[in-house]
Amino acid sequence: DGGITQSPKYLFRKEGQNVTLSCEQNLNHDAMYWYRQDPGQGLRLIYYSQIVNDFQKGDIAEGYSVSREKKESFPLTVTSAQKNPTAFYLCASSFQDGGYSYNEQFFGPGTRLTVL
Amino acid sequence: AQSVTQPDIHITVSEGASLELRCNYSYGATPYLFWYVQSPGQGLQLLLKYFSGDTLVQGIKGFEAEFKRSQSSFNLRKPSVHWSDAAEYFCASNTGTASKLTFGTGTRLQVTL
Repeated sequence: DGGITQSPKYLFRKEGQNVTLSCEQNLNHDAMYWYRQDPGQGLRLIYYSQIVNDFQKGDIAEGYSVSREKKESFPLTVTSAQKNPTAFYLCASSFQDGGYSYNEQFFGPGTRLTVL
Repeated sequence: AQSVTQPDIHITVSEGASLELRCNYSYGATPYLFWYVQSPGQGLQLLLKYFSGDTLVQGIKGFEAEFKRSQSSFNLRKPSVHWSDAAEYFCASNTGTASKLTFGTGTRLQVTL
């Protein structure tokens, strides 16, 4: 089945530690995205990538880093610089048409990160 | 910058009653508009989308939405709600020139039996 997988589903981290969240898609989508979800705030874009080896900051990129070495993979690292990392993290992907992306985004099941 | 507003944080309806969830967008031109649904602890699933053409769009699970340019709205409707529709609903927009969706803050739907 085609889709987006995120792992792990639950992740616990001690303060001061970096942690990497995995996102893989087999939909052959060009673009991938990372969102953070907090209660009452909807989804906020962290980073996105429209092509391999290229990515752009979203609205709340501080304290996060990403890489896009393969089309299928877009891992997110939550660094110790992120002041309040406890949240639900969602990865998404979409087709890209000539630099525009009016296609819908498909979402993974999410990873819940808790800082202890 | 574009923004999406969902004025209702929480709505409760009885099973079998009709439903309308409100969404307003701010953007000079016509954006691309989407409605997503999220069950607790899960990812988002697309219900429907509007790009152009007919302003009344049909989606999955019996949902529909109407684009009204004069009101900058894209409200989601369902004639008869089922208990399984209880979830959080997000409206989103994309201007098409950037690879980003702007989401509203969501409306949580509770269905009473």
